[in-house]
Amino acid sequence: NAGVTQTPKFRVLKTGQSMTLLCAQDMNHEYMYWYRQDPGMGLRLIHYSVGEGTTAKGEVPDGYNVSRLKKQNFLLGLESAAPSQTSVYFCASSYLGGRSETQYFGPGTRLLVL
Amino acid sequence: GQQVMQIPQYQHVQEGEDFTTYCNSSTTLSNIQWYKQRPGGHPVFLIQLVKSGEVKKQKRLTFQFGEAKKNSSLHITATQTTDVGTYFCAGTSGGSYIPTFGRGTSLIVHP
Repeated sequence: NAGVTQTPKFRVLKTGQSMTLLCAQDMNHEYMYWYRQDPGMGLRLIHYSVGEGTTAKGEVPDGYNVSRLKKQNFLLGLESAAPSQTSVYFCASSYLGGRSETQYFGPGTRLLVL
Repeated sequence: GQQVMQIPQYQHVQEGEDFTTYCNSSTTLSNIQWYKQRPGGHPVFLIQLVKSGEVKKQKRLTFQFGEAKKNSSLHITATQTTDVGTYFCAGTSGGSYIPTFGRGTSLIVHP
């Protein structure tokens, strides 16, 4: 099992460009999350999904959109990139049920917006 | 909304010294999880605490959950250079499955 994978690993964008980050998991997890990580700010939740076809806003959703058309995939879109979106983006997934909300993280996507 | 505060933000230690990071929540937690992120890596799950007053150990790491389920700590005995990284706590409450992460404590171990 690959676990959680993210593509691309690294990307440079110019201000105003758009892009989509792809997250895929092969663990049949219901929940999926997108976080951004900036120095000193920890992990901030952008959007999350509790199942195929459903999405919800997290702590910092502005400037991002997401889609969960298939259970195993969670896409994060930037329609018009801004320098403030320079960050490391992590996708995570977790199993729904029981008393465990253990999150499994992908390797991250490093995004630089010029 | 729920807030999870984690201190200190950074901690420098000499190899062999002990290390502790603390996590405090503004609300009572259902459970708390701890993650470790190595430099350049991604967060990796370490442990979950569920019961009031729970204490769990993993080799040199000791995790505690407060009696009121509003605070937690991670203690590392005799740090090693392999312990370098950022340690995050993440708590859930109110029946939600969505955890709130603390900002993390970065541990720097000097040989």
